[in-house]
Amino acid sequence: EVQLVESGGGLVKPGGSLRLSCAASGFTFNNAWMTWVRQAPGKGLEWVGRIKSRPDGGTADYAAPVKGRFTISRDDSKYTLSLEMNNLKTEDTAVYYCTTLIWGAGMEAADYWGQGTLVTVSS
Amino acid sequence: QSVLTQPPSASGTPGQRVTISCSGRSSNIGSNYVYWYQHLPGTAPKLLIYRNNQRPSGVPDRFSGSKSGTSASLAISGLRSEDEADYYCAAWDDSLSGWVFGGGTKLTVL
Repeated sequence: EVQLVESGGGLVKPGGSLRLSCAASGFTFNNAWMTWVRQAPGKGLEWVGRIKSRPDGGTADYAAPVKGRFTISRDDSKYTLSLEMNNLKTEDTAVYYCTTLIWGAGMEAADYWGQGTLVTVSS
Repeated sequence: QSVLTQPPSASGTPGQRVTISCSGRSSNIGSNYVYWYQHLPGTAPKLLIYRNNQRPSGVPDRFSGSKSGTSASLAISGLRSEDEADYYCAAWDDSLSGWVFGGGTKLTVL
């Protein structure tokens, strides 16, 4: 069974830092492109960024609002995805989800999401 | 302001067919696949449609997707009360080098 479990959310002051983790199991993490998506209170879904699998280069892309402040990394040996968030702003307050899209041999897709972790940026 | 434009709300009665539109640009919908998600409050989003019109295993064939030019649509036929949720379209944007979502459409089953 595929599972994604986020952790690390909490309350942080503006300008502060926080590190989110996503523990993966039930699939070949090494080959998966992993993504962070967030939802601010009362708002829609927003793509935060993604990291490619190491076989595909292992590079990360970021949404403009977080570029330069957030860093996505992965530890394939521990099946863990991380999101390092620095210089946090009140507008970063949101539920953060890790997610992945797994492609079958016949190019059929299946998506998996964590339960989400709440990050609150407030003084 | 979202890069992809969706109507904020839609509604229908049980058994009806409803469509939700998603409008974009040549850099996103015009040149890349469209994905649709269903999101119920307090739960994780769920992929309904990928690559414009493909359904993941387990998604009822009441849900269908289409794309034409820089616009896409999600159709839900035989509307049911459990379809009441927020629906989002998404696509990769070549200009932004990132995924973009629509603002979401809240579907009410009357």
